[in-house]
Amino acid sequence: EIVLTQSPGTLSLSPGERATLSCRASQSVSSSYLAWYQQKPGQAPRLLIYGASSRATGIPDRFSGSGSGTDFTLTISRLEPEDFAVYYCHQYGTSPYSFGQGTKLEIK
Amino acid sequence: EVQLVESGGGLVQPGGSLRLSCAASGLTFSSYSMNWVRQAPGKGLEWISYISSSNTIMYYADSVKGRFTISRDNAKNSLYLQMNSLRVEDTAVYYCARTHYDSSGYGLGYWGQGTLVTVSS
Repeated sequence: EIVLTQSPGTLSLSPGERATLSCRASQSVSSSYLAWYQQKPGQAPRLLIYGASSRATGIPDRFSGSGSGTDFTLTISRLEPEDFAVYYCHQYGTSPYSFGQGTKLEIK
Repeated sequence: EVQLVESGGGLVQPGGSLRLSCAASGLTFSSYSMNWVRQAPGKGLEWISYISSSNTIMYYADSVKGRFTISRDNAKNSLYLQMNSLRVEDTAVYYCARTHYDSSGYGLGYWGQGTLVTVSS
């Protein structure tokens, strides 16, 4: 089973700042099968990034994904007020599939 | 517009059973693999089951293996999750989610709004 560990658990930043979220896998994950999601309170998750670095339809270009192997990163270049939410990484390549525990991005 | 609508949640006693449904519209349902993902109150996301588009491959998380069964009816554009031997720790919002894939990779591209399952005596 592949365990995904996200860091930090909580990230406190101000609008306009840059956010860097990390996802580390316990074993190698093919980049094709690494995705990132955003979830706001009371809402279903929304796909942001798939294939480690491809933005889903309608996702602003301030969101970018990178990484390979066991280390992946989600970067938000300039935080907008609507970006404060919980972010999850997800591996969909090796069953059982798994999510990271989440990073809460909060307003400082 | 793609829509996924879950139903069938509710209150059930420990050891009981429940069947969740997910009705899909706005997509060629039979072309896509599907998943169930759950979220316990105040907790993170937990993937629990996958089914291939052709209904031939199923995967389960260890936490539900042997108790939950995923199935689909492509003629009815519907996904199901039969949940038996329910435990208190199965209490969660259950989401169905459709696989998104293209040449760049895979993800869960569409999600329903979720249905709440509460296991309590």
